[in-house]
Amino acid sequence: KNEVEQSPQNLTAQEGEFITINCSYSVGISALHWLQQHPGGGIVSLFMLSSGKKKHGRLIATINIQEKHSSLHITASHPRDSAVYICAVRSKTSYDKVIFGPGTSLSVIP
Amino acid sequence: DVKVTQSSRYLVKRTGEKVFLECVQDMDHENMFWYRQDPGLGLRLIYFSYDVKMKEKGDIPEGYSVSREKKERFSLILESASTNQTSMYLCASRDRGPGNTEAFFGQGTRLTVV
Repeated sequence: KNEVEQSPQNLTAQEGEFITINCSYSVGISALHWLQQHPGGGIVSLFMLSSGKKKHGRLIATINIQEKHSSLHITASHPRDSAVYICAVRSKTSYDKVIFGPGTSLSVIP
Repeated sequence: DVKVTQSSRYLVKRTGEKVFLECVQDMDHENMFWYRQDPGLGLRLIYFSYDVKMKEKGDIPEGYSVSREKKERFSLILESASTNQTSMYLCASRDRGPGNTEAFFGQGTRLTVV
């Protein structure tokens, strides 16, 4: 069993839909990151969370430390949101160890 | 605007060739990382460095070596490229701390070994 899992693996949505991507993990963490990777490869950090909720534009990220679960929400989705979204956790025991989820591939259709 | 720059976006090399992947960051970060990314496996850490001339093996170091002669530059070396090293390679850098700090990634190098 992977230490960081994401669901769904692939997601196709119509423009304007509300989207949720889930991340669950099995290790103790000091922080959780949501990353976005567009076709072509470059990765951009969207959020870094250690508790609660953060919002940036149409993106919202939440984390429940007790349940070891985080969600990334996209409101009013747009084709430019099409990308792979990656959840990554920073290990509590090993400061520099980051464990990446397998990614969720999102395609938003006009 | 912070930057992590990888020397090549696409690279095609022959089996047995020595391959150098270069990464440069302009943020004066101590920590630098090399990952490879394969479908279904996510990002896996090859090597990381927390200071000049310092290096630590990651989860999959076999077949790779690294060099960090200057703080801003971290090189990944494939001594004798093999077809199973065909992959997307991503470099990242991060400030040492204190506390949790954000990582910045390069654009990636898609390496094909034929």
